[in-house]
Amino acid sequence: DAGITQSPRHKVTETGTPVTLRCHQTENHRYMYWYRQDPGHGLRLIHYSYGVKDTDKGEVSDGYSVSRSKTEDFLLTLESATSSQTSVYFCAISGGSKGEDTQYFGPGTRLTVL
Amino acid sequence: AQSVTQPDIHITVSEGASLELRCNYSYGATPYLFWYVQSPGQGLQLLLKYFSGDTLVQGIKGFEAEFKRSQSSFNLRKPSVHWSDAAEYFCAVGNTPLVFGKGTRLSVIA
Repeated sequence: DAGITQSPRHKVTETGTPVTLRCHQTENHRYMYWYRQDPGHGLRLIHYSYGVKDTDKGEVSDGYSVSRSKTEDFLLTLESATSSQTSVYFCAISGGSKGEDTQYFGPGTRLTVL
Repeated sequence: AQSVTQPDIHITVSEGASLELRCNYSYGATPYLFWYVQSPGQGLQLLLKYFSGDTLVQGIKGFEAEFKRSQSSFNLRKPSVHWSDAAEYFCAVGNTPLVFGKGTRLSVIA
C-alpha cells in the first residue's frame, strides 16, 4: 500500500480554536485529497490538490482551507472549529505509476470538537 | 453530474453464503469504477477497479465485480463469505476526483 501518514491520529479540541491536520506521502503522487466521513453520508470531498500550490474545492469546503507547499505534504486547516466539524478525516493520494485514478487512503484522523 | 448509489445500507449474510453488493452510477462517459472496503477504525482499502476491457474484474480477498454498461451497474460479488469480510464497502466512480457512494455495511453471522 501507498505510504501515507496522517497526524495527529486523534484530536479533541474546543469550539472556536484553529486546528491543522497533516497528510504526508512518500509516494510522489501528484494528487492529494481530504475527505470527511460521517455516518449516513459516506465520504465527502473537502478539498483536493493537483500539484504544489494548486488546489480546488470539493462538495463540503466551507469552513476549511488547505495548503500544499511541497509534493509530499497536504495540510487541512479548520480556522475556527465548530461541533459540526467533528468527524473522521481521511487523506488520499493518486496519480502514481500504478494508475492515475486509483486513490489510496491514509489511516484517518478522528477529530472531536467540544 | 456524477453520482453513485448503493441501495443497501446494511446487509446480513451467513458465513459461507454468497454475497452481492449493488452499485449504480451516473456518469457522462465510460467511467472508472472502484470498490473499497473499510474495516472498523481503519482507512479504505482498494478491492478492485475497472478501467476498460474485460467487464468482469477480479480483486483481492476473492471478490469480483461486473461492469454492466446497459444497467449502469458495477456490482460486487463473492461466492462464499467469511466472517472476516464483515466491514463497510464503498463503490466509487469517476476520474479525479472520485465520487463515492454512501456505503453498504456487511454483517456476517455464523
